[in-house]
Amino acid sequence: QSVLTQPPSVSAAPGQKVTISCSGSISSIGNNYVSWYQQLPGTAPKLLIHENDKRPSGIPDRFSGSKSATTATLSITGLQTGDEADYYCGTWDRKILGGGTKLTVL
Amino acid sequence: DVQLVNSGGGLVRPGGSLRLSCAASGYIFGDYWMSWVRQAPGKGLEWVATIKPDGSQTDYVDSVKGRFTISRDNIKNSLYLQMNSLRVEDTAMYYCAREKWASFDSWGQGTLVTVSP
Repeated sequence: QSVLTQPPSVSAAPGQKVTISCSGSISSIGNNYVSWYQQLPGTAPKLLIHENDKRPSGIPDRFSGSKSATTATLSITGLQTGDEADYYCGTWDRKILGGGTKLTVL
Repeated sequence: DVQLVNSGGGLVRPGGSLRLSCAASGYIFGDYWMSWVRQAPGKGLEWVATIKPDGSQTDYVDSVKGRFTISRDNIKNSLYLQMNSLRVEDTAMYYCAREKWASFDSWGQGTLVTVSP
C-alpha cells in the first residue's frame, strides 16, 4: 500500500509564497492524479486542486499544483491569514491521503 | 449547489453498531461514485469506503473490511455506512464525499462517532 509523506508544518509571512510537498513513489504519484484539500479549523475539507493542477471553480489562482515523478507540490502565493489551515494531498491509487501539513501564516 | 448532510453519529460501546447517513441534494445523486472518509481526533484523513453509482461495486480500506458496509438509495438520494463490531480505533469524524475528477470534490459536514467502554 502506497504512503504519501507531507511535512508536518510550514510557515510564512502574509504576502509571501509557500510550498507544501507530498512525496510518494512512481506508482502512487507518478502514475496517478494528485488532489489537494484545505481544512480550515473545525470544518470539513475542501477541494483545492484536482488532476494534479486543475482548480475547481471558485478557487483563487493563488493556489496551484504541480507534480514530478514522485513528488507533488502545492504552492500558495500572496499568503493571507485566512489561509491558515491543514492541507492534505491525495492520490487515486487506493484513495490514499497524506498525513497533512499545518500552515501557519506568521 | 451540491449539499451533503451527515447524520447518525454518537457514542457506542466497543463491539456495538451504528448506521451513518448522508443526504445529498443539488445534483443527480445516482450519477456519482460516493465515499466515506474519516478523521480520528487530531489526525489526518483516511478513506474508508466507496460505492459505484448503481451500488453494484464497493471497496473498503483493509481495517474495516468485514465490519463496515457502504450502501446507497438513489431514490432517496442517500448514502449509508453500516458499522458493526466497532472498535475504539474507529473513533473519528466521518464525512461522506462525492467523487469527481479523481478527487473528493464535495464533502458533508461530518458526524462524530465515539467508541468508548
